[in-house]
Order: sequence, then C-alpha cells, then structure tokens
Amino acid sequence: DIQMTQSPSSLSTSIGDRVTITCRASQTINTYLNWYQQKPGAAPNLLIYGASSLQSGVPSRFSGSGSGTDFTLTISSLQPEDSATYYCQQSYNTPWTFGQGTKVDIK
Amino acid sequence: QLQLQESGPGLVKPSETLSLTCAVSGGSVSSNNYYWGWIRQPPGKGLEWIGNIYYSGGTYYDPSLKSRVTISVDTSKNQFSLKLDSVTAADTAVYYCARHFRFSTVTPRGYFDYWGQGTLVTVSS
Repeated sequence: DIQMTQSPSSLSTSIGDRVTITCRASQTINTYLNWYQQKPGAAPNLLIYGASSLQSGVPSRFSGSGSGTDFTLTISSLQPEDSATYYCQQSYNTPWTFGQGTKVDIK
Repeated sequence: QLQLQESGPGLVKPSETLSLTCAVSGGSVSSNNYYWGWIRQPPGKGLEWIGNIYYSGGTYYDPSLKSRVTISVDTSKNQFSLKLDSVTAADTAVYYCARHFRFSTVTPRGYFDYWGQGTLVTVSS
C-alpha cells in the first residue's frame, strides 16, 4: 500500500495568513493526488484533484502543487470558514489511501 | 444536484453483518464515468477507503477488508450497498458513500467528488 504522510498534524494561525500543508507519498504517484476539507460533523469536501486542479465552486485562495512524492496545499489568505481538517488522498494505486489529516485552527 | 443518502442500522452486534445502502438521486449509478464507493471514519480518526463498484458490477476492495466486504449495485433502484461480515468494535465508524469520478475508461484513477452525509454504525452487544 502507498502510505501518505501529512505535516504538520495541526496548526493554529491567524485570519489572513498564508497556510501551507504538505503531503508525502511513500512512492511516486505522478499527480494522482487529491485534497479534501472536512468540518466537524460533516462529510469531506473535494478541494483539489490531480494535484493542482481546483474543484468547481472552491474559492481560488486554495491551490495545490507537486508531483511524484511531494505535494502542497496552500491557502493564500486564511478565512474563518477555513477552520477544518484537511486530508490528502492518492488515487495512483488501489487501495486508495489518505493522509492522517491536518487540523487547521484559527487563533 | 447529485445527492447520496446512506441508510441502515446504527447498531450492530459483534460477529454479525453490517449492511448499509446508498441511495443516489439527481444522477444515475449507470453513468460510464463513475465508480461508487464506501469510505469510513472511526470516531476521532482519519478516513479509510473500503471499496468501489462500477455499475456493471466490477469492484475494487481494500485488501485488509476484502475477505469480509461485499459491495453490490442495483441499477433498477439507483443504489449501491455495503455488507461487512463478522464485525468487531474496530468496525465502529461513520460510514460514507461517495461518487468516484474516473479520469478515463481504462483506469480507476480519479477522485471522490460527491459524498453522502455519513451514518454512524456502532458495533456493540
């Protein structure tokens, strides 16, 4: 199985700050990397697919980059509604696997 | 707007079978471009993929669960289902159904773009 490792596990930052979350795959996955946002009590919501493609309806402050084994999710200017847990997921090989999550809190 | 809705018992006894159904509205499970999947989330933990099914019946399962899992599809009812045998407390989780868009017809690679709201299943006597 491909292991996905996210860092940091959690962060606390201020409104308007730039936030960067990284995701590393245990083997190359090309750009078959997706990012999801999950708020408490809700289902995950797709933000980014194919490492860098923004899902329809997702604010442009979210962006993704990377290929191979190293990927990044960036929130350019953190908003109050961005407080959530973020997960990466590889779809290069089954079993599809998720990172452990990064919890983003607002200071 | 596509909607997915999970249904099934919220409490299952140890060693019994967990059974859930996902009803799809606003779209068809028979669409060529999509798989239909199940993902679970133990309380306070991360997301775990269980398996996917195509409308023709082709399936992919997580190997760690494969011996206990069956995913099926009913195109006449526009729904798909999950059965997990011989459950233990470790199977307690919120279970989500989701649509999995695939990038092409020759690969299952893609992403989960629509999710149900999730249903909590507790395994306890």
